[in-house]
Amino acid sequence: AQKITQTQPGMFVQEKEAVTLDCTYDTSDPSYGLFWYKQPSSGEMIFLIYQGSYDQQNATEGRYSLNFQKARKSANLVISASQLGDSAMYFCAMREKGSNDYKLSFGAGTTVTVRA
Amino acid sequence: NAGVTQTPKFRILKIGQSMTLQCTQDMNHNYMYWYRQDPGMGLKLIYYSVGAGITDKGEVPNGYNVSRSTTEDFPLRLELAAPSQTSVYFCASSPRARDSHGYTFGSGTRLTVV
Repeated sequence: AQKITQTQPGMFVQEKEAVTLDCTYDTSDPSYGLFWYKQPSSGEMIFLIYQGSYDQQNATEGRYSLNFQKARKSANLVISASQLGDSAMYFCAMREKGSNDYKLSFGAGTTVTVRA
Repeated sequence: NAGVTQTPKFRILKIGQSMTLQCTQDMNHNYMYWYRQDPGMGLKLIYYSVGAGITDKGEVPNGYNVSRSTTEDFPLRLELAAPSQTSVYFCASSPRARDSHGYTFGSGTRLTVV
């Protein structure tokens, strides 16, 4: 079964508008962590934002915010005031305890294209 | 501050050849990981290491081997390359198992097996 599900393969957004990227997850570990990474066309993986399972408040980092709905097992990324440089692939990832240690699992990603 | 360095950046292999993908980090991180990313897909864990001398299998270990003789280096060995191993390979590191910044990734190695 998929641990991380990103249902939007691709999205278009107008410059300066906000965009929400969906992510749902599945885990039985009570102490998990959720991450979002950006992968521009150059290929590197860039850490954006983190939400711990016990964090009471939604995480924010500049124009990025994470809409964490624990009961729904949802961790959507909101990018406000989109810029052309936000065009990239975005991955949701979850850290949970496996049989031996903690590891990150990744979703399939969402491609965001920002239009001028 | 080099971070995680992967070499080579690109490589074409013939079926049945072998090669080693190099990964070095200069941050004194205990935890290191190898992932592969197939076109249009997310990353899948191949092998990981929690410290020098300790390695373990991830989700897709078949066809690969690793070693961790030092904290800095975590090479990935491909024996008998197959077309199914055509992918982009990422090495990553982390100072601890549960870090709020996740992993630091290398820039990737794009491997084509023909």
